[in-house]
Amino acid sequence: AQSVTQLGSHVSVSEGALVLLRCNYSSSVPPYLFWYVQYPNQGLQLLLKYTSAATLVKGINGFEAEFKKSETSFHLTKPSAHMSDAAEYFCAVSLYNQGGKLIFGQGTELSVKP
Amino acid sequence: DAGVTQSPTHLIKTRGQHVTLRCSPISGHKSVSWYQQVLGQGPQFIFQYYEKEERGRGNFPDRFSARQFPNYSSELNVNALLLGDSALYLCASSLVPEEKLFFGSGTQLSVL
Repeated sequence: AQSVTQLGSHVSVSEGALVLLRCNYSSSVPPYLFWYVQYPNQGLQLLLKYTSAATLVKGINGFEAEFKKSETSFHLTKPSAHMSDAAEYFCAVSLYNQGGKLIFGQGTELSVKP
Repeated sequence: DAGVTQSPTHLIKTRGQHVTLRCSPISGHKSVSWYQQVLGQGPQFIFQYYEKEERGRGNFPDRFSARQFPNYSSELNVNALLLGDSALYLCASSLVPEEKLFFGSGTQLSVL
């Protein structure tokens, strides 16, 4: 069975500060991992995905994530937060490398203070 | 090109009623998936359809049903609505079931 746990339902950072959103996974098979962002009143947008090609994955809007098998983690980072980064972020796991049926974590709301 | 479109955007129903939500996939996409997102939680998988056949079902009661039409659009039906069915219902389309999902903006259902 596969599952995802996001540590911290709410994270607040100052503009220009490092963003770190935590995600741990559980999977009986090699996982395919994803980060999605959801802005208010909008659907989900794919930020980046891990498909076993490289452990450090770069996504859109300056975000990146590192797959660490030993820690079963896939944390999302961004060196410098921007006000426009304020949104809900979801980590997800799938059996398929492009997506397919996704199992989501509970989400982390990111607030960015001026 | 149009993205995934869902209708209606908002809906208010009372307990015990029935509701139908609609989804039009991106042109050329043959697979549609439905997710339920309760406030404060991540989306939960409900159904996936491909070529009008059900390809997957999540852990939801039989009150939830769906279908896909020859033009690949889809409907999600929920009978005997409960307060707990209040949620954002997201539709996603993909070329085939295993490929990248493109999400619509969702239908916000409120059950009073």
